[in-house]
Amino acid sequence: KQEVTQIPAALSVPEGENLVLNCSFTDSAIYNLQWFRQDPGKGLTSLLLIQSSQREQTSGRLNASLDKSSGRSTLYIAASQPGDSATYLCAASSSNYQLIWGAGTKLIIKP
Amino acid sequence: EAGVAQSPRYKIIEKRQSVAFWCNPISGHATLYWYQQILGQGPKLLIQFQNNGVVDDSQLPKDRFSAERLKGVDSTLKIQPAKLEDSAVYLCASSLLGAETQYFGPGTRLLVL
Repeated sequence: KQEVTQIPAALSVPEGENLVLNCSFTDSAIYNLQWFRQDPGKGLTSLLLIQSSQREQTSGRLNASLDKSSGRSTLYIAASQPGDSATYLCAASSSNYQLIWGAGTKLIIKP
Repeated sequence: EAGVAQSPRYKIIEKRQSVAFWCNPISGHATLYWYQQILGQGPKLLIQFQNNGVVDDSQLPKDRFSAERLKGVDSTLKIQPAKLEDSAVYLCASSLLGAETQYFGPGTRLLVL
């Protein structure tokens, strides 16, 4: 049974710093790995999707990596801004596209 | 393109009462998901529809939860009777048939007192 873990549960960094969020999964037989952002009172927004055959994906200041052999994914945020404050969740997808979610990392960027 | 719509946005009820949530997916999206997200946890899939058929409802507490998608478009999720532990955000998502990307609605925040 797939389990997804995100550590730390919360992170606070000063504006402008680069940071890394971590995601680990127990079953390497994933179809893809996705990173989402959740803002209070709003739904989830997909940030990046990495196929199982890929090693990384980039979108603007965000870069996500995937290492299936070690069961890990990271989300790198460059030059953090206060608007990046949100909860970031990762989810592992099986071949039927069902998502198994981590509990998320609450990120606070201090101005 | 309009996103996934959900209503109500907030609901407060007492335990043992009934409640229903509504979801209207993005037009043309055949697959619809209902998730339960308890505070501090990731979403948990309750039920997945493909058109008006159920693909997976293995984690739906069927003694108190029910869901339907009669015409293959909008969907309702009902809880009857509600328990304190049902307090959570209920998220609806939709996707194109066979597509990887799910689009989420804003969620309904339920508080059971």
